[in-house]
Amino acid sequence: GAVVSQHPSWVICKSGTSVKIECRSLDFQATTMFWYRQFPKQSLMLMATSNEGSKATYEQGVEKDKFLINHASLTLSTLTVTSAHPEDSSFYICSARGAASAKNIQYFGAGTRLSVL
Amino acid sequence: GQQLNQSPQSMFIQEGEDVSMNCTSSSIFNTWLWYKQEPGEGPVLLIALYKAGELTSNGRLTAQFGITRKDSFLNISASIPSDVGIYFCAGRGGSNYKLTFGKGTLLTVNP
Repeated sequence: GAVVSQHPSWVICKSGTSVKIECRSLDFQATTMFWYRQFPKQSLMLMATSNEGSKATYEQGVEKDKFLINHASLTLSTLTVTSAHPEDSSFYICSARGAASAKNIQYFGAGTRLSVL
Repeated sequence: GQQLNQSPQSMFIQEGEDVSMNCTSSSIFNTWLWYKQEPGEGPVLLIALYKAGELTSNGRLTAQFGITRKDSFLNISASIPSDVGIYFCAGRGGSNYKLTFGKGTLLTVNP
């Protein structure tokens, strides 16, 4: 299957600082990228969807000014958690999807564990 | 919105046993996907289904797209300890590009 690389795999930061998470599709062009959040023992919760060169579409209840998403190229999307607080601690997972010819399969990164102190 | 019911929530089985889990939807999907997630990792795609009635295998795994397009099942035969993890079903409707995930089935395999 296609490879999606997510970095960093874990990060610890102080409350009030900002954290950037990168998501790269390594062997295909990702026309659409998705960002999910997952709490322990729960399913994936979609935060936002981004298409290359466009503004991200955020799910209801997700603060767009807090979770900044940039999808500047067909292989890179970033999620910046601004002014992070302890309640933002979670497992963040990106996902990428290629063109329609790839049957719209979503491939996932390995996730980023964020701990805000 | 679309809802997926995935069952069972968890399973504790002995090595060598077969496993079956399923998902049902409140609405029609045109794609069903099955993923496995191990602790601290992202989901890994196991099987993708695109047609009603489609039956697809991947090694010891077999999944089917229900004929009503509202359900899918995943079977694992002759389970081994490395099958341990959380299995998620995910479906996508017609014009809706977003995946809807089930709540997952936690599988534990005792050697």
